[in-house]
Amino acid sequence: DAGITQSPRHKVTETGTPVTLRCHQTENHRYMYWYRQDPGHGLRLIHYSYGVKDTDKGEVSDGYSVSRSKTEDFLLTLESATSSQTSVYFCAISFKESSYNSPLHFGNGTRLTVT
Amino acid sequence: GENVEQHPSTLSVQEGDSAVIKCTYSDSASNYFPWYKQELGKRPQLIIDIRSNVGEKKDQRIAVTLNKTAKHFSLHITETQPEDSAVYFCAAPTRAGKSTFGDGTTLTVKP
Repeated sequence: DAGITQSPRHKVTETGTPVTLRCHQTENHRYMYWYRQDPGHGLRLIHYSYGVKDTDKGEVSDGYSVSRSKTEDFLLTLESATSSQTSVYFCAISFKESSYNSPLHFGNGTRLTVT
Repeated sequence: GENVEQHPSTLSVQEGDSAVIKCTYSDSASNYFPWYKQELGKRPQLIIDIRSNVGEKKDQRIAVTLNKTAKHFSLHITETQPEDSAVYFCAAPTRAGKSTFGDGTTLTVKP
């Protein structure tokens, strides 16, 4: 499983509340990613990180923020959850360089429901 | 743009038949093309990949072909088995952090 742990695995929250999802890796890989997966949309990149405190936006970053204060942890925060953010969230890492030329290894996902 | 189109969206085959899934990309800078398999309720996992200096790659019953001129690459599964039933995603990363995925193909192998 490439040493990736996502927590929580499931969460139900109410509209307007903040939510933080955690991705933890044990192998000191530089690149980490957050994706969301929705039916009919495949996997869409939210944010990614290329080092401690180095992050950038993906294609669906509105309403999300991230932080990476340690190599091993990449946090995704929904500042004020909305029903449109109900989704399955996957964290991923790439072992070599970046996803530009190496495969992604995914965590087991977090199923988030916003009511 | 960083667009990847994947077809078909659903594919049903009889056990033992072949299955082919095709992806088309738009950015000529792409030079790495992975395929992922996602079983129901599980995470996507890499099954095969190809780089732009290679036209074809095989791994047992699966193969990937790449046509850089036409900007498309395909996944071929031969002698399909029920355990091949899953969602398959292609990707065509264009630069660091911008890994664009196709929308997925749901493959059903009927026994």
